[in-house]
Amino acid sequence: SAVISQKPSRDICQRGTSLTIQCQVDSQVTMMFWYRQQPGQSLTLIATANQGSEATYESGFVIDKFPISRPNLTFSTLTVSNMSPEDSSIYLCSVTSGTGTTEAFFGQGTRLTVV
Amino acid sequence: RKEVEQDPGPFNVPEGATVAFNCTYSNSASQSFFWYRQDCRKEPKLLMSVYSSGNEDGRFTAQLNRASQYISLLIRDSKLSDSATYLCVVAGSYIPTFGRGTSLIVHP
Repeated sequence: SAVISQKPSRDICQRGTSLTIQCQVDSQVTMMFWYRQQPGQSLTLIATANQGSEATYESGFVIDKFPISRPNLTFSTLTVSNMSPEDSSIYLCSVTSGTGTTEAFFGQGTRLTVV
Repeated sequence: RKEVEQDPGPFNVPEGATVAFNCTYSNSASQSFFWYRQDCRKEPKLLMSVYSSGNEDGRFTAQLNRASQYISLLIRDSKLSDSATYLCVVAGSYIPTFGRGTSLIVHP
């Protein structure tokens, strides 16, 4: 298993500002993902964070809005840029071992409210 | 068609009842299947993996039907503490795909 520390756990931000969310894993993992979960909705994959290279974004998500860093195998950040109220959501960091298809582990989530 | 579909519910059942959830998936190449539980305002946590032969863990039984591309979760003798959202998860490569979840409410 993997233990993931995600912070901040929650924040209230002004529109037009940016917030960076950090995800720290207690062991080296191959695959790290960032998800968004809006109220009453399923988890939507934003991007796969690739170590040492640009993240792979899903349809509807772009690097300018959600820049991601992954400097090593245990750490990643997601920035929500130029926020609007529509960005209010829970953002979740997730990891899998990447060796075949295995279970996913999650950080505690960041509950973001944009006012 | 969504990749993973679940009835959102809510399923409202009395304590002690048996309740079953189904989940269908569209990618026939999917290889791994899971049920996750998500409590209100918490992150999802693995409940159980779903194997081709089916598997049981206490009051919980998971089944996989590859021919019909669905998985199921059966909860026997429901407890109040079983109230949560149950997420169906399907993985064909390295990236898990989540259903929107089925809400279960167990009442006294």
